[in-house]
Amino acid sequence: NAGVTQTPKFRVLKTGQSMTLLCAQDMNHEYMYWYRQDPGMGLRLIHYSVGEGTTAKGEVPDGYNVSRLKKQNFLLGLESAAPSQTSVYFCASSMIPNTEAFFGQGTRLTVV
Amino acid sequence: RKEVEQDPGPFNVPEGATVAFNCTYSNSASQSFFWYRQDCRKEPKLLMSVYSSGNEDGRFTAQLNRASQYISLLIRDSKLSDSATYLCVVITGGGNKLTFGTGTQLKVEL
Repeated sequence: NAGVTQTPKFRVLKTGQSMTLLCAQDMNHEYMYWYRQDPGMGLRLIHYSVGEGTTAKGEVPDGYNVSRLKKQNFLLGLESAAPSQTSVYFCASSMIPNTEAFFGQGTRLTVV
Repeated sequence: RKEVEQDPGPFNVPEGATVAFNCTYSNSASQSFFWYRQDCRKEPKLLMSVYSSGNEDGRFTAQLNRASQYISLLIRDSKLSDSATYLCVVITGGGNKLTFGTGTQLKVEL
């Protein structure tokens, strides 16, 4: 019962470094999302995908890129990390619109 | 104005108390509504969906008021294990976009 799996769970980056966060789901869900969660801000949508090969911008997309080459995977990339990107990142997936979203366990990223 | 607004709390209540949270949303075209629960340093998990007719799941009751654009969550007979942050979620944009409130923190005490 893996559900939604995020890797890595923790990471410390230096300013200017790049990294990719991987989200994998084994529920055959069409929809996948990347959120960031900051104190007092709640969860904010970065990018989302409504199916393999499609991506769209969310509320706070600047500084991030995404790809959905395979239905089960949704990658979030930071090309040049900045301290403002220090956050907890959550991936989620859902089968169809207007239904329950299942979340991964989160990635705690610190940019120094 | 934020799309989804919640009182951040914290709400500190004694065990056995009844507590209610409200959440307001700004987009009248919003389609679906949910309450999620998030424990400290964990991922959000679905608590319950919110239907126009209202719905109940054990000690939890959710209500939707489309005219006033708010949803509510009532917890009866609070347990220590109910301590968590409760997130209001509204779906818009044809179902593609889940918008979260900032969450309301509940602390149930002995």
